[in-house]
Amino acid sequence: AQSVTQPDIHITVSEGASLELRCNYSYGATPYLFWYVQSPGQGLQLLLKYFSGDTLVQGIKGFEAEFKRSQSSFNLRKPSVHWSDAAEYFCAVGADNAGNMLTFGGGTRLMVKP
Amino acid sequence: DAGVTQSPTHLIKTRGQHVTLRCSPISGHKSVSWYQQVLGQGPQFIFQYYEKEERGRGNFPDRFSARQFPNYSSELNVNALLLGDSALYLCASSLELYEQYFGPGTRLTVT
Repeated sequence: AQSVTQPDIHITVSEGASLELRCNYSYGATPYLFWYVQSPGQGLQLLLKYFSGDTLVQGIKGFEAEFKRSQSSFNLRKPSVHWSDAAEYFCAVGADNAGNMLTFGGGTRLMVKP
Repeated sequence: DAGVTQSPTHLIKTRGQHVTLRCSPISGHKSVSWYQQVLGQGPQFIFQYYEKEERGRGNFPDRFSARQFPNYSSELNVNALLLGDSALYLCASSLELYEQYFGPGTRLTVT
């Protein structure tokens, strides 16, 4: 069975600083990887996805993520954080043999200092 | 285009009662999935339906059931509610494999 670990429960960065959120997955074959963002009390918004091909994927709101098979990682990055980026971020993995089921990590709460 | 819609937004139930949550997918999407998100945790997969057939089931008790209608909308039913069922219930629809779009969720509180 697949699993996802987000090692950082909380991260605080200053506005304008760069950001990297870590995600490690466990899955035997090529995974389908996603990053979602959730504002308080809201549903999940898809930021970006990786299915195959170029390991550096671009998403919405200036986010990007890099798939590193050797490290089983899919870290999310943004060069300059805005106050509106404060939210909860979830990494998720989907698997070929699991229908449409996504397995989510526990999330990382991002706080942005002015 | 309208996104995934869910109803109701919030509801409060008493232990032992039954609840039905509803979801309408994005127009053209034939797959609907349900997730439970307990406060402070990531979402957990409950069910997936495609073309009105169950395609996947997570590790949830039989008190949880779902169905999908000919118009691809879906219902999630939970019987004999427990305090631990209090959570945000998320519905997601998809057109292509795995790319799921989530609704705003239904906040269920069991007292």
